Amino acid sequence: ILNVEQSPQSLHVQEGDSTNFTCSFPSSNFYALHWYRWETAKSPEALFVMTLNGDEKKKGRISATLNTKEGYSYLYIKGSQPEDSATYLCAFCPYSGGGADGLTFGKGTHLIIQP
Amino acid sequence: EAQVTQNPRYLITVTGKKLTVTCSQNMNHEYMSWYRQDPGLGLRQIYYSMNVEVTDKGDVPEGYKVSRKEKRNFPLILESPSPNQTSLYFCASSLYARVRDEKLFFGSGTQLSVL
Repeated sequence: ILNVEQSPQSLHVQEGDSTNFTCSFPSSNFYALHWYRWETAKSPEALFVMTLNGDEKKKGRISATLNTKEGYSYLYIKGSQPEDSATYLCAFCPYSGGGADGLTFGKGTHLIIQP
Repeated sequence: EAQVTQNPRYLITVTGKKLTVTCSQNMNHEYMSWYRQDPGLGLRQIYYSMNVEVTDKGDVPEGYKVSRKEKRNFPLILESPSPNQTSLYFCASSLYARVRDEKLFFGSGTQLSVL
């Protein structure tokens, strides 16, 4: 079973502040790293799928970076808004298949934006 | 609208009473999967399917059955539910059979309570 760690588990941020959190994964046999946003009472929605070392993706105020050699990805939120409150999940896929079909999820970072 | 439709949203049942949670996608996706989400744990895969009549066990398949008779449908069957199957369940689909670098589309979730 692959170890995909997300930190911190939860995070309280003041509205307007910027924040970031981490997904750590095994650095060998990397294939892809997924980020999802999961709002309460809704279903997870894909933010990014990243495959190349050094890759940076951006969607509005949210961006992500990827370091496959050291096994981590950062998710950044600039100027947090209340609607950013959600659990952010990462999922790691190794080249040879991790979970039964290749995706192993972390436990998520629960982000709360305080007005 | 492209979506994954999952029913029911909430289900309370008793131990041993067979139940089925339905999942349907209208995007002609090859890949479909079932996950369960429990407090303190990441999304864990139950079963997945890479195409019609092709299903495989995930990380936690015990006590569950699935079928993929049509491309759009992937029901989850609990033949004899037990209290340890109380959980939040998600169905998900992806365009290609290998999910690695294609994002997952999730259903709205089913909160199951087994008494």
